[in-house]
Amino acid sequence: GQQLNQSPQSMFIQEGEDVSMNCTSSSIFNTWLWYKQDPGEGPVLLIALYKAGELTSNGRLTAQFGITRKDSFLNISASIPSDVGIYFCAGRPNTGNQFYFGTGTSLTVIP
Amino acid sequence: EPEVTQTPSHQVTQMGQEVILRCVPISNHLYFYWYRQILGQKVEFLVSFYNNEISEKSEIFDDQFSVERPDGSNFTLKIRSTKLEDSAMYFCASLPVGRAYEQYFGPGTRLTVT
Repeated sequence: GQQLNQSPQSMFIQEGEDVSMNCTSSSIFNTWLWYKQDPGEGPVLLIALYKAGELTSNGRLTAQFGITRKDSFLNISASIPSDVGIYFCAGRPNTGNQFYFGTGTSLTVIP
Repeated sequence: EPEVTQTPSHQVTQMGQEVILRCVPISNHLYFYWYRQILGQKVEFLVSFYNNEISEKSEIFDDQFSVERPDGSNFTLKIRSTKLEDSAMYFCASLPVGRAYEQYFGPGTRLTVT
């Protein structure tokens, strides 16, 4: 199957700092989704991207669909303790409705 | 706000037993998915379901797995003869009409095979 690599694998940051993470694929995707998962719960959709170069915000979160269509980026500004969790990217290729998930970035915010 | 619900939240079963995991997708959604997440690993696609039939399935979704939409609301995943390696969180997801790629996930069922 498709491999989506996320980096960094984990982050430890101070409250108030900005966060950047990315997701890369060897294949082109037509849709990128970003999810947050808390322990023992299902992923919660944060942002959906549909067009190369698209930049979309959701509160303190901003995500971009890379122009090569092989990557996507998520930024969190002014982090707060409730941002703690695992962030997953998911991509959908040109054909079909199957989504491939990234390896996840674990975020820890230190108050 | 409508949510995807799943039951049970935790299922413990013995190896070789059959299990049925249940999902109630959001009511006006048309696409339904099952995913698996082994502890500490990424979410893996199992199967998608549309118009009362399987749309796509992954290599994980072998003959031991089946899906069904027995009525207008429930969407089930059956594992016929569970193996130890089937222990994982199983998530159901559904997609709304017109925004076909914004999947909404349920809270998951933790399956433990002993």
